[in-house]
Amino acid sequence: GENVEQHPSTLSVQEGDSAVIKCTYSDSASNYFPWYKQELGKGPQLIIDIRSNVGEKKDQRIAVTLNKTAKHFSLHITETQPEDSAVYFCAASTRQSNYQLIWGAGTKLIIKP
Amino acid sequence: GAVVSQHPSWVICKSGTSVKIECRSLDFQATTMFWYRQFPKQSLMLMATSNEGSKATYEQGVEKDKFLINHASLTLSTLTVTSAHPEDSSFYICSAHRGKDQPQHFGDGTRLSIL
Repeated sequence: GENVEQHPSTLSVQEGDSAVIKCTYSDSASNYFPWYKQELGKGPQLIIDIRSNVGEKKDQRIAVTLNKTAKHFSLHITETQPEDSAVYFCAASTRQSNYQLIWGAGTKLIIKP
Repeated sequence: GAVVSQHPSWVICKSGTSVKIECRSLDFQATTMFWYRQFPKQSLMLMATSNEGSKATYEQGVEKDKFLINHASLTLSTLTVTSAHPEDSSFYICSAHRGKDQPQHFGDGTRLSIL
């Protein structure tokens, strides 16, 4: 079945710098890739997603890139702010699996003031 | 604003008690909802898929008699942890989507503590 690996597990960046979190997936049939942000004691919040027919998507300071050949996708956060501190999860899903999400292990992002 | 509402947010109860958690989709109908469990500093673990009007589909290793799921309407799914014990203490989160190829939106979770 599908497996999603996420790196790094912890990322500490200076406020204002960029942060990049990377995920790889194993099932070439995966066609939907969301990113979620989870703050302490809260449920995950969708921040951006991308489908397999697109290579890049951007929403203000957040962008996601997808390389289908290499089977990896990345989250890019520019001009980081203290409120970006949280745990970020990537996920992948396929139509064949009824769009059930397979999750990465998560990345704890720490923004240093 | 929130599109999925989950209640209660925190429950503390004695061992042997049954606890019901509600998950509501606020502005859309959800034929499918999902229930997850999350241990500290870990990823989300899918427990079961809740299907409106039919039986839930449980993931391997999840006891269906322990975790009862009812999806009685297109906007409400409930998870009942029956005869809860300390090992059932965890963070339970539900999600719902507008359609199979649409994003999953999550509730804010329920922190369950069994004494």
